[in-house]
Order: sequence, then structure tokens, then C-alpha cells
Amino acid sequence: DGGITQSPKYLFRKEGQNVTLSCEQNLNHDAMYWYRQDPGQGLRLIYYSQIVNDLQKGDIAEGYSVSREKKESFPLTVTSAQKNPTAFYLCASSIVGTSYSYNEQFFGPGTRLTVL
Amino acid sequence: AQKITQTQPGMFVQEKEAVTLDCTYDTSDPSYGLFWYKQPSSGEMIFLIYQGSYDQQNATEGRYSLNFQKARKSANLVISASQLGDSAMYFCAMREVMNTGFQKLVFGTGTRLLVSP
Repeated sequence: DGGITQSPKYLFRKEGQNVTLSCEQNLNHDAMYWYRQDPGQGLRLIYYSQIVNDLQKGDIAEGYSVSREKKESFPLTVTSAQKNPTAFYLCASSIVGTSYSYNEQFFGPGTRLTVL
Repeated sequence: AQKITQTQPGMFVQEKEAVTLDCTYDTSDPSYGLFWYKQPSSGEMIFLIYQGSYDQQNATEGRYSLNFQKARKSANLVISASQLGDSAMYFCAMREVMNTGFQKLVFGTGTRLLVSP
């Protein structure tokens, strides 16, 4: 089945440690995204990538890094510089299309990160 | 900057009844798109319905319909014949075109819907 996988589902980290969240898609989409979700809030965009090797900062990129070496993969690293990393992280992908075209974003199941 | 407002933190509805979830938006872009997503307790975001600003008809997808009132800048989701499985968080989102020409989604804070038997 085509879709997006994220691993692990739950992740615990000690303060001061970097941690990497995995995101893989087999939808043949060029664009991929990382969102953060906090309780009582909507999703906020961390990073996105329009194509392999393209990395663009979103609204809350500080303390995060990403890579896009393959079309299918878009891992997110939460660094020790991220002040409040405990959150639910969602990865998404879409076609690129034109600026005003209908480009539905497909989401993965998410990773819940808890910093101890 | 574009903004999405969902003023209902929680809604209750009885099974088989219809419910309306509110969404208002603010944008200066004449071309925009509005999305509704459902997020069950498991966490994944499920796309429900889309409305483009130039669409002549209100969007419908099965039991979901969008009450799109452009002049009022509202795009309310109507769920008919509610089912227990409809209990979830519902997010309204708007397409925003960035300086790069690329799209991103701007989300509201969501409405938690509880369907009772």
C-alpha cells in the first residue's frame, strides 16, 4: 500500500541528547514536510523540502535539522538546542504542482517525543 | 499573514444527528484553498474535504459537506448522520503560498467532537 511511515511511534529522550525521527514515503511525492503539534494547538511547520537536496525552513525551524538525500526519505533531527522538544511530530508529503493548485498533503501516523 | 480561527474547542452531538464545526479565515489572497482534516486519537491526519476559492459549488464528500460563505470568510464543516467513529479532533486549514511560490498549510487550533450513543 502507498503511504507514509514514521518511526518510532513513541520516543523518549534525555535532556541534552539529539534524536532523529524517521519519515519514509512511497507515494512518489516530491514535496515533504515536518509539522509539530502541541496540546490545544494546530500544526506548525518546521521544515519542508520541494525536491531532493532542497531544505527550507518553516515557521519554527530553530533547534531542528533535516536532510533529503533520497526522494523517499526526510528524517528530522531534534537537537539539544530545541528548548521544548516534547510534542507530537507529523510528517507529510504532496505533489508540488503550481502555486495555486490543489495539492493535498498526506500525513504519516506521527511520532510522540517526550523529553525526560 | 493568513489566519484560521476555530472558536469551538469542543462539540457534543448525538449519534445520527448533524453537526456543524465552524471555521473562519482571513486572507488577502484572491486565490486560496481550504481543507478539513480529521485527527482520531491515534494521531494521523485524515483528509476530509477541500474547497477552492473559485469553486462555484460547495464541496461535498459523502457525509461531509462544506458550507462555504465567501463574503463572511467562513468554511464550516457539516457532518450529517453522525457516527460514533466521528469522535475526533477536526482541523480547518488554509493553503498559503510562500515567497518561494511553494504552498504550505496554515492550521486552526481544532475542534474536538464527541459523538454519544
